[in-house]
Parts: sequence; structure tokens; C-alpha cells
Amino acid sequence: KNQVEQSPQSLIILEGKNCTLQCNYTVSPFSNLRWYKQDTGRGPVSLTIMTFSENTKSNGRYTATLDADTKQSSLHITASQLSDSASYICVVSADVGTYKYIFGTGTRLKVLA
Amino acid sequence: EAGVAQSPRYKIIEKRQSVAFWCNPISGHATLYWYQQILGQGPKLLIQFQNNGVVDDSQLPKDRFSAERLKGVDSTLKIQPAKLEDSAVYLCASSGGVGQFFGPGTRLTVL
Repeated sequence: KNQVEQSPQSLIILEGKNCTLQCNYTVSPFSNLRWYKQDTGRGPVSLTIMTFSENTKSNGRYTATLDADTKQSSLHITASQLSDSASYICVVSADVGTYKYIFGTGTRLKVLA
Repeated sequence: EAGVAQSPRYKIIEKRQSVAFWCNPISGHATLYWYQQILGQGPKLLIQFQNNGVVDDSQLPKDRFSAERLKGVDSTLKIQPAKLEDSAVYLCASSGGVGQFFGPGTRLTVL
């Protein structure tokens, strides 16, 4: 069964600190993995996308890693800011002729001053 | 390039009333998705269109939900009649190949 699990479910950190969010998946056939940031009441916004052959991808203070062997991905946020407070969703796509997207339940991050 | 547009952004209705949401995808994107996202949960796919044909509507509650994508561009999602448990954010996304692009969503509150 195609599944995407994220941890932790929620996280509270102080401004300026780093944090790492985890995503484990069992999706086949794997096509790509994308991390989204979703502010409350808004639609998800793509942060990074990685295909099978990519190990790491950065977007400013966000760095995503992918280990296709262990089927794990992480999103590292450096020097967190108050505006990083949001939900972070891991989405894995399977190429079954058409793309099928499997969503994780997200990690809710709260950055405190 | 312009993103995915949705309207309205917010809607409050009473149970048993009807409501419709509109989505305009990114120009040229053949695939359009409607998702329901209940507070604290990940998005749940309601329906997927490829051009104006339905690819997947297995999780669409067809007794009360309907969607159409005439001419393969804009799409509307309708709920009739609404129930309290339909309170959620309704997200529209489009894709032109790899990856999805989401609209801002419509927050529906059913009283």
C-alpha cells in the first residue's frame, strides 16, 4: 500500500534554531518527492522537488535530502524565522501511467520569538 | 506565470444549502485536481481531471458532490446539500507534467 509518514507531528522551536523534519515512504513506482510549506488557511507552496537520482536540494534556508534506498527524506530548516511557522507536507508521486500523488499528514512547526 | 486561481476564498453557509467553488488552473496544464483538506489533516483527493475527462473520482461523495471541467480549462466543484462535516479547505491544483501547483484554497464553513 502506498503510504507517506511524517514525523514529528508537531514541533516547537525558538527563532534562530535549526530543525529537521522526517518523511518515510512506501510508494511504488517512485517518481519524485516534493516538500510543501502550507501557511494556515493557504494552499501548499512547493519548496523542493527531488527525483530518484537526487540526494539533496536546497532552496534558501531549506535543504531537502533523499535516500532512495531507505525510502527516507528529510527537510532541514536553518536559522529558523517566525515566518517559518507553518505545516510542512511531504508528497511522493508514483508514475502509474498518470501521476498519482500520496500526501503525508504534515508536520506543524511553530517558531517562537 | 500566473498561478492557480480559486474563488471564493471564504464561504459560510448553513447545512442543507448549496455551494459552488471555481478554479482556473495554470494555462496549458492538462491535469486538474480538487482536494478536501480538513483542519489538521493532509489533503484528500476528491477528483482528478485530464483535460475535460475524469481520471479518478473514487473518493468523491457523489450523492452530494459534483464537479465538471467544461472545455478542459476552468472547473467548478459543487456541494448540494452541504453537511456539517463538509467544513474544510477545498484546494484546486493543476499539473502540466511533473509536480502539482496549488491554488490558495476556499475555506468552507457549514453551520
